[in-house]
Amino acid sequence: QKEVEQNSGPLSVPEGAIASLNCTYSDRGSQSFFWYRQYSGKSPELIMFIYSNGDKEDGRFTAQLNKASQYVSLLIRDSQPSDSATYLCAVHSGGGADGLTFGKGTHLIIQP
Amino acid sequence: EAGVAQSPRYKIIEKRQSVAFWCNPISGHATLYWYQQILGQGPKLLIQFQNNGVVDDSQLPKDRFSAERLKGVDSTLKIQPAKLEDSAVYLCASTTKVYEQYFGPGTRLTVT
Repeated sequence: QKEVEQNSGPLSVPEGAIASLNCTYSDRGSQSFFWYRQYSGKSPELIMFIYSNGDKEDGRFTAQLNKASQYVSLLIRDSQPSDSATYLCAVHSGGGADGLTFGKGTHLIIQP
Repeated sequence: EAGVAQSPRYKIIEKRQSVAFWCNPISGHATLYWYQQILGQGPKLLIQFQNNGVVDDSQLPKDRFSAERLKGVDSTLKIQPAKLEDSAVYLCASTTKVYEQYFGPGTRLTVT
């Protein structure tokens, strides 16, 4: 059974600080990794994806992947109150069936 | 570009009744997914279509859930009979590439 684990939080971070969100996955054959943001009552929206070990930066967001440790993280720099949401980590295992396996999400609160 | 459309947005039914949800993907997207998101959890893949063929329905409770995608465009998801534990948001997503799954607004189902 493929599993994706996240700390449900809430994670409280002061405005302007760096928010660090973490995710571990069980399937060592997983190939692609995604971070989605979901506001309350809304559908998930894709923030970033990463498939190579190391860091990938996009604006204030940095995704980090360590396949040996089966660990993915998302850093949000200069956190804003509008970043308050649930962040979902998702994993794609490759092959023709490419539905994603999601974690339960981490609830992030940015305190003004 | 129009997004993924879903209807209805909300539905309340009694247990043992039947219900159907409709999804219209983004134009040209060959791959369509149905996910179930129970409150406090991440989305769980129910079924994946490639054009009008099923790629993965391993997590679909086939004794009560069914789905079809006629002509490779619109899709419907049906539950018959509904149980209390089916209360959830049902999300439809479509994509041409696995790292660009676009979600619709979802249908919130309440079973009483």
